Amino acid sequence: DAGVIQSPRHEVTEMGQEVTLRCKPISGHDYLFWYRQTMMRGLELLIYFNNNVPIDDSGMPEDRFSAKMPNASFSTLKIQPSEPRDSAVYFCASSPLSGGAFFGQGTRLTVV
Amino acid sequence: AQSVAQPEDQVNVAEGNPLTVKCTYSVSGNPYLFWYVQYPNRGLQFLLKYITGDNLVKGSYGFEAEFNKSQTSFHLKKPSALVSDSALYFCAVRDMINDYKLSFGAGTTVTVRA
Repeated sequence: DAGVIQSPRHEVTEMGQEVTLRCKPISGHDYLFWYRQTMMRGLELLIYFNNNVPIDDSGMPEDRFSAKMPNASFSTLKIQPSEPRDSAVYFCASSPLSGGAFFGQGTRLTVV
Repeated sequence: AQSVAQPEDQVNVAEGNPLTVKCTYSVSGNPYLFWYVQYPNRGLQFLLKYITGDNLVKGSYGFEAEFNKSQTSFHLKKPSALVSDSALYFCAVRDMINDYKLSFGAGTTVTVRA
């Protein structure tokens, strides 16, 4: 398995634009997590899914953020409209029912 | 609710000396505990986990961690640190009874000097 795959690796966009981050989890994993990492806030859990169903989205900072998991092999995190304070590294991770999570390489988002 | 505390922002040790990175946790159900390492501009890499059984868990790159239920701690240790161990280390807890949420501590930056 190629591991968790995120795209794009880097994204630079202008304030107000829509941004879509993509994630392909490891096949067979039941859980998918989206995290955001910044120097100020560390690693924050934004939302996680179990079998494609969102379980807890209390970490999503604002209504501008939304996440979907239309099937077991794909998830998106969308920011609309984007703001400079959204600049961060966004990680996707997947895990089996029991055990730890495997992380993707992350998407470094810069909003100018 | 669950939480993870890493009381030290930074740990500095000399190469060859023992390394300890501290972690305490709070969870209502049965905890699964993990340590991850992050190198610059990389994702988090799994080091080791505690699920059940022996309180001393051995992981990758010579690291080990000791689970202490009474102190709700899961400290990461390495008997002899290497310069290449310099990185950002995260402790994480997962509630395996209630919601299976995976929560991370703030991270500890380890610097090993030659």
